[in-house]
Amino acid sequence: GEDVEQSLFLSVREGDSSVINCTYTDSSSTYLYWYKQEPGAGLQLLTYIFSNMDMKQDQRLTVLLNKKDKHLSLRIADTQTGDSAIYFCAESMGYGQNFVFGPGTRLSVLP
Amino acid sequence: EPEVTQTPSHQVTQMGQEVILRCVPISNHLYFYWYRQILGQKVEFLVSFYNNEISEKSEIFDDQFSVERPDGSNFTLKIRSTKLEDSAMYFCASSRPTGGNQPQHFGDGTRLSIL
Repeated sequence: GEDVEQSLFLSVREGDSSVINCTYTDSSSTYLYWYKQEPGAGLQLLTYIFSNMDMKQDQRLTVLLNKKDKHLSLRIADTQTGDSAIYFCAESMGYGQNFVFGPGTRLSVLP
Repeated sequence: EPEVTQTPSHQVTQMGQEVILRCVPISNHLYFYWYRQILGQKVEFLVSFYNNEISEKSEIFDDQFSVERPDGSNFTLKIRSTKLEDSAMYFCASSRPTGGNQPQHFGDGTRLSIL
């Protein structure tokens, strides 16, 4: 079945770049998403990429997609303490289809 | 910006009781979803709902669960005969198909604690 994997923890220093990685198994995934979850809060949509794209940039966020290797990454430039959260990668097949989430990567930003 | 709202934020219930979790999706959205996240585990899909009927459900969504859109704004998840293992954060989401891009917008969740 579908599976999405992420490394569970990442620590970076404030001002550095963070790169959070995700791998997925279903090659028919149409959309890939990144969500952010702060403690006790819901899932905040950060950005997404369509499977026919290689890269998408949105302010400090850059998403890279390697469809051949089924690898997705999220780069956060100039990481701030407010970026500390759990980041979830998710895939979807499209219209009305459920999301399959990865386990989440806990990003800790050190001063 | 429009939001998905969920109530209550925290629900404590005795084992065996029924609970109803409520959600108000974004008003012009057409697809509605429930997910759950057991503490420390993945976010898991439960059910999707479109055009007043279930469009897809996972193995978790058995006869203990039901969903309803009782009016034009609310979307509810009912859990009958709750068990300890139903304790989790339950997230509602909604989406509107436009040009193929389907970001799902999530509420802040309801934390369900079964005693």
